[in-house]
Amino acid sequence: DAEITQSPRHKITETGRQVTLACHQTWNHNNMFWYRQDLGHGLRLIHYSYGVQDTNKGEVSDGYSVSRSNTEDLPLTLESAASSQTSVYFCASSESTGEQYFGPGTRLTVT
Amino acid sequence: AQSVTQPDIHITVSEGASLELRCNYSYGATPYLFWYVQSPGQGLQLLLKYFSGDTLVQGIKGFEAEFKRSQSSFNLRKPSVHWSDAAEYFCAVGPRGDYKLSFGAGTTVTVRA
Repeated sequence: DAEITQSPRHKITETGRQVTLACHQTWNHNNMFWYRQDLGHGLRLIHYSYGVQDTNKGEVSDGYSVSRSNTEDLPLTLESAASSQTSVYFCASSESTGEQYFGPGTRLTVT
Repeated sequence: AQSVTQPDIHITVSEGASLELRCNYSYGATPYLFWYVQSPGQGLQLLLKYFSGDTLVQGIKGFEAEFKRSQSSFNLRKPSVHWSDAAEYFCAVGPRGDYKLSFGAGTTVTVRA
């Protein structure tokens, strides 16, 4: 069955370190998204991609970057982790019909 | 500006009772509409979606939602809740012709025995 996987599922890092969260989908979807989930805010879009070599900023992109070198993967990088980036991160993918399929999430703690 | 509002942060309902979760949106035109459910420690699962046509849509797990254009609403309902329906529910909207979604802040549903 097609799926989205995220790794690691849990990560603790220190302020100032670079962190990369992995997202891999086997749906063969062109569209991929990264969100962060914080209490009281729902899900907020960080970055998204509509195909290989395409990346776009979402509403909370400061301090994050992504790259899309193939269809299956969209890694999210925190250039210099800050305590404000402690959150749960979700990756999602979609086709042209618009409904998004979500991964299980990565819980990131920045100390 | 586009926005999605879920007015109820937390709802408690008795098992077997009916449930209605509210969602209002502000968009220039009728967007695509979705409801997702998130169980603790899990990702989001799609319950149902509205693109066009019949304004009452059926989803999984016995849920349905009704689109009301005049009220810019897309409320989720279930006639009889089960203890397993305790979760957080998110309304999401996306503009036609784009693939991004905007999510409401979520409604947490507690089911009491």
